[in-house]
Amino acid sequence: KQEVTQIPAALSVPEGENLVLNCSFTDSAIYNLQWFRQDPGKGLTSLLLIQSSQREQTSGRLNASLDKSSGRSTLYIAASQPGDSATYLCAVRRDRDDKIIFGKGTRLHILP
Amino acid sequence: GAVVSQHPSRVICKSGTSVKIECRSLDFQATTMFWYRQFPKQSLMLMATSNEGSKATYEQGVEKDKFLINHASLTLSTLTVTSAHPEDSSFYICSSPVSRAVANYGYTFGSGTRLTVV
Repeated sequence: KQEVTQIPAALSVPEGENLVLNCSFTDSAIYNLQWFRQDPGKGLTSLLLIQSSQREQTSGRLNASLDKSSGRSTLYIAASQPGDSATYLCAVRRDRDDKIIFGKGTRLHILP
Repeated sequence: GAVVSQHPSRVICKSGTSVKIECRSLDFQATTMFWYRQFPKQSLMLMATSNEGSKATYEQGVEKDKFLINHASLTLSTLTVTSAHPEDSSFYICSSPVSRAVANYGYTFGSGTRLTVV
């Protein structure tokens, strides 16, 4: 059974700091891994998608890495801003049936 | 591309009534639709998987007679919460995996429906 764990559950940092969010999964048979952002009461916004054959993806201040063999992914946010405050979700897509398994998310608060 | 339109975004209903949530794929054929529920400060939990033209598959613990899913066409999947109760109040999101033929796509999500049962 695939389980996705995100650490930490919550994080508060001053504006301008670089930070790392962690995601781990128990079954390496994944098709891809995706990082999302969710603002309170809103839907999901896709941030970065990493295919199982890829090691990392970058978009602006965001960089996501994937180590499939060890079942880990990290989301690196550079020069954090108050607008980055949100919940960040990691989700893996299972290879065998396309089901998506989500982590519980990391609630990020950037202090002005 | 690969957009799923979900409606309504918010709905308030009285206890005992039924509510229908629609997810429509606008520019692709959604052969599969996943339905999720999210309680406050919790992760998204898969409720059921629907495939066009066949019965939905429900996850353990989800009442199929209470959460009716219909996927009658390649562009429309609906979730009907029947005889809603306050404990059904939640955030419901649909999602469709975009075709594996398009390697750079993952899955696309509806914008979610916040259901409040009073």
